[in-house]
Amino acid sequence: ETGVTQTPRHLVMGMTNKKSLKCEQHLGHNAMYWYKQSAKKPLELMFVYNFKEQTENNSVPSRFSPECPNSSHLFLHLHTLQPEDSALYLCASSQDGGGSSYEQYFGPGTRLTVT
Amino acid sequence: DQQVKQNSPSLSVQEGRISILNCDYTNSMFDYFLWYKKYPAEGPTFLISISSIKDKNEDGRFTVFLNKSAKHLSLHIVPSQPGDSAVYFCAARTGRGGSEKLVFGKGTKLTVNP
Repeated sequence: ETGVTQTPRHLVMGMTNKKSLKCEQHLGHNAMYWYKQSAKKPLELMFVYNFKEQTENNSVPSRFSPECPNSSHLFLHLHTLQPEDSALYLCASSQDGGGSSYEQYFGPGTRLTVT
Repeated sequence: DQQVKQNSPSLSVQEGRISILNCDYTNSMFDYFLWYKKYPAEGPTFLISISSIKDKNEDGRFTVFLNKSAKHLSLHIVPSQPGDSAVYFCAARTGRGGSEKLVFGKGTKLTVNP
């Protein structure tokens, strides 16, 4: 595997279910991100992890719970979601720590539908 | 309140002609700007970037121009090719020292017609 992978690619869940999204980066990066992309809206940053430590929580509801066990893996645990949480969830990674650019590498996303 | 705006949701151009995608921003603290391209069913991929201390960066067919006084940047694609058809996102960097983050626009869907 190369780059950033995400599983599953598609997920349909009921409002009472609990599910998890998984992201893995094979780039040796030290920062990982969760974004949400809803229809006709910009990508919204949800969480940032830098060296496994959460450095950003962008006022995300507690029904979304991130977990970063190491610099290569990132999870998003979902429980009691609402239909308006249906969106494309994108994971990204980057090599933080300064430098002259700030390129984030994205996974293909998980298309989530909450019924 | 959107800090990065792409006011054109779509753009259609003929193959071989120039595509110009525009982006406006409001935060003068942004220090780096990036363009990403996204095909359906794929994640965004990095295309080109520019530091706030420069006004132009060129990479092959892609050139990004930055006008700091107008808080405006644009992406030029010359010549446009059908494979360039995708959604293009403008992004701006804010923050320092491990707390950097990107703020994205809504995207512009480019269609290049053969």
